[in-house]
Amino acid sequence: NAGVTQTPKFRILKIGQSMTLQCAQDMNHNYMYWYRQDPGMGLKLIYYSVGAGITDKGEVPNGYNVSRSTTEDFPLRLELAAPSQTSVYFCASSGQGGTGELFFGEGSRLTVL
Amino acid sequence: DQQVKQNSPSLSVQEGRISILNCDYTNSMFDYFLWYKKYPAEGPTFLISISSIKDKNEDGRFTVFLNKSAKHLSLHIVPSQPGDSAVYFCAAKGEYSGAGSYQLTFGKGTKLSVIP
Repeated sequence: NAGVTQTPKFRILKIGQSMTLQCAQDMNHNYMYWYRQDPGMGLKLIYYSVGAGITDKGEVPNGYNVSRSTTEDFPLRLELAAPSQTSVYFCASSGQGGTGELFFGEGSRLTVL
Repeated sequence: DQQVKQNSPSLSVQEGRISILNCDYTNSMFDYFLWYKKYPAEGPTFLISISSIKDKNEDGRFTVFLNKSAKHLSLHIVPSQPGDSAVYFCAAKGEYSGAGSYQLTFGKGTKLSVIP
């Protein structure tokens, strides 16, 4: 019962570097999401996807890109990392139904120095 | 502009007593509310939810109350157990946001500590 799997769990980047956070789910969910959580703050939506090939921006998309080539995978790309992107990133998925219940991964802690 | 507010960053309760976590919202279009629980170094997990057409939903030791006129909801945990110590997030589901999906708006969370 893997659920939502995120890699890596921890990463330190230098300013200007790029990286991809990986996310995979095995629940055959159509909806997938990327959130970030800054210290003392709630989760903010970066990007989401309603199915393979369909993505859309959330509340805080600047500095990020996503793709959804398969139902299972939803990678988040950080281009030109900045200190403001230091955060904990959570990937989540949900099935159709509109109840809002999300299944989250364990998170990826990213530090940009 | 916070649409979902959890004004208490932390709460300490004795084991066996009631824990009450509060959440206020400003957007009257929110039609579904959820509580998530988060342990350190883990992702949030769904706890309980309530539709805006109801005023109470109960699941074991957890009960969520919704007061629409006051735009306020609360999570009651009775009796509280040390394993309940975690951060609790209130979230609200708004109107359809297009592209076949919707978005949740989260509060900042309340850290509950249950003291043995």
